[in-house]
Amino acid sequence: EDKVVQSPLSLVVHEGDTVTLNCSYEVTNFRSLLWYKQEKKAPTFLFMLTSSGIEKKSGRLSSILDKKELSSILNITATQTGDSAIYLCAVMNAGNMLTFGGGTRLMVKP
Amino acid sequence: NAGVTQTPKFQVLKTGQSMTLQCAQDMNHNSMYWYRQDPGMGLRLIYYSASEGTTDKGEVPNGYNVSRLNKREFSLRLESAAPSQTSVYFCASSAHRGSMMVAALGEAFFGQGTRLTVV
Repeated sequence: EDKVVQSPLSLVVHEGDTVTLNCSYEVTNFRSLLWYKQEKKAPTFLFMLTSSGIEKKSGRLSSILDKKELSSILNITATQTGDSAIYLCAVMNAGNMLTFGGGTRLMVKP
Repeated sequence: NAGVTQTPKFQVLKTGQSMTLQCAQDMNHNSMYWYRQDPGMGLRLIYYSASEGTTDKGEVPNGYNVSRLNKREFSLRLESAAPSQTSVYFCASSAHRGSMMVAALGEAFFGQGTRLTVV
């Protein structure tokens, strides 16, 4: 059974701080790892990672995959209150099954 | 707007009632999914359909059935609703192709969710 574990469960920081969210996985026939941001409704896509060591970057957010360690991190620099959300990590296996972790709830205080 | 359309947005059921949640996507995606999300938790996979004509159980399939009616539509049925099925349900689709030789296209698109309460 595929499994995705995220840490920490929740995090409270102040604006301007840098945060690192972790995702580890066990999956049969790994295809890709995806990060999502969920505010009040449906998750919205952030990144898809398939290759180890290649950083994906979008503004203040970046993510990297380590296939040897079966993990990924999501970094957010210079956090803003608008970054407050649940961040979800998911893995896709070769059978197209998409399994999510429990999420990290991030709160950014002004 | 193109994307994943999920209906209804809200539903209240009595214990033992049945209902079907509808999901349709117009992006010609191969794979479709049903998840439930409970307060403070991530998304748990109920069922998925890797391609038209196939369906598979996810992590929490008990009490649910699905139908991949065609490439566009994937419905979730609760035959006899129970209070434990009170949750927010999300449908999603993705463009992953079946072949392992083809790089995954990645992104899954989500419907806006159905808030279901079973009393």
